[in-house]
Amino acid sequence: NAGVMQNPRHLVRRRGQEARLRCSPMKGHSHVYWYRQLPEEGLKFMVYLQKENIIDESGMPKERFSAEFPKEGPSILRIQQVVRGDSAAYFCASSRTVNTEAFFGQGTRLTVV
Amino acid sequence: AQTVTQSQPEMSVQEAETVTLSCTYDTSESDYYLFWYKQPPSRQMILVIRQEAYKQQNATENRFSVNFQKAAKSFSLKISDSQLGDAAMYFCAYRSLSGGGADGLTFGKGTHLIIQP
Repeated sequence: NAGVMQNPRHLVRRRGQEARLRCSPMKGHSHVYWYRQLPEEGLKFMVYLQKENIIDESGMPKERFSAEFPKEGPSILRIQQVVRGDSAAYFCASSRTVNTEAFFGQGTRLTVV
Repeated sequence: AQTVTQSQPEMSVQEAETVTLSCTYDTSESDYYLFWYKQPPSRQMILVIRQEAYKQQNATENRFSVNFQKAAKSFSLKISDSQLGDAAMYFCAYRSLSGGGADGLTFGKGTHLIIQP
């Protein structure tokens, strides 16, 4: 049973470009969470999704950031018109139900140049 | 909003010794989960131990145990017989149950654990 898969592991984007980060949850998991980790910081919650629904996006910046978890395929975190301050590690976690353990992927390190 | 505080940015311990990492949190809720995660240089977040707030008994996983003091809102992690592979960042995390568990985890800033051979 493969774990949570995130790709790419590393992503470099120029300022103003779009970044698309993908997360395939563990098999049987329909709950997905995205977190951002700035250097020397803990992870900060961004958004919680179930299949085709955004449940809680209270941690998501209001502009340029969006997330989806379609019926088929991975969850996508999209950052439009990236800026240097978006450089961070972005982690995805998935769980089978809302009260069971969440498993983390290895993260995508985004560097904006 | 809940907050999680880890007051030790870095800790160092001799191999085979015992070390305790501290964590305090602030919440007005009575039902929640607490976690310790380990993040080695590979960046993978690995769950070390989990505590349900309604359980009085402290959780234990092999060499890892917690001291959960609900009234004091304290949740420390004790690592016994430290090994070189324990070297990592350790994050304390809180998860509310008030929203049906829909809230994400709230993390502390982490403690960098160094193991001296």
